[in-house]
Amino acid sequence: QVQLVQSGAEVKKPGASVKVSCTASGYMFTGFHMHWVRQAPGQGLEWMGRINPKNGDTVYEQKFQGRVTLTRDTSLTTAYLELSRLKSDDTAVYFCARRKVIDYYYDAFDIWGQGTMVTVSS
Amino acid sequence: DIQMTQSPSSLSASVGDRVTITCRASQSISTSLNWYQQKPGKAPKLLIYAASSLLSGVPSRFSGSGSGTDFSLTISSLQPEDFATYYCQQSYNNVPITFGHGTRLDIK
Repeated sequence: QVQLVQSGAEVKKPGASVKVSCTASGYMFTGFHMHWVRQAPGQGLEWMGRINPKNGDTVYEQKFQGRVTLTRDTSLTTAYLELSRLKSDDTAVYFCARRKVIDYYYDAFDIWGQGTMVTVSS
Repeated sequence: DIQMTQSPSSLSASVGDRVTITCRASQSISTSLNWYQQKPGKAPKLLIYAASSLLSGVPSRFSGSGSGTDFSLTISSLQPEDFATYYCQQSYNNVPITFGHGTRLDIK
């Protein structure tokens, strides 16, 4: 079945970097943009950026520019989020989500990974 | 960026009640509006896309309406499994994507 499986929880110190993976299965990996969304404890959903797995093209939310890098490995059907210079308020669950174009014009996040908890603490 | 404002931020209701959650965009987004349901410890789940189109498999008690800047999600008769947090999301601008701050629906 179509699914996204993310890597496990991480604990990092302030100033460190973290790399989260998202492995796709059950569909053509290069056919759908992959987005990353995070959710701080008790808070709402915050979009971070997206990658086109076909050509590696990326777009980042301005707030994360310079700290976030999205990459992919098509041979592994895996997308990666790397966040550097971590701060305590980066503590959050990080989700990958597939963007699907529906009815030619509309699009939505139809498949989500299970989430990866990243804790930043000294 | 397009700002999305949801109301109320929380809501208490009983099984069988009819509830409506609203979402307002800071500029017109036509009908490029999606609704998600999130339960504690789980990823969001897409319910409605294009403001009013129900995703296959989503119960018909869920419905969406609206266009331009004002949208709503209605649950016609609450079931126990519907108690969750609901988010709207605009897809008018491909980037940046923006979400409402969520509406937490609790059992009264």
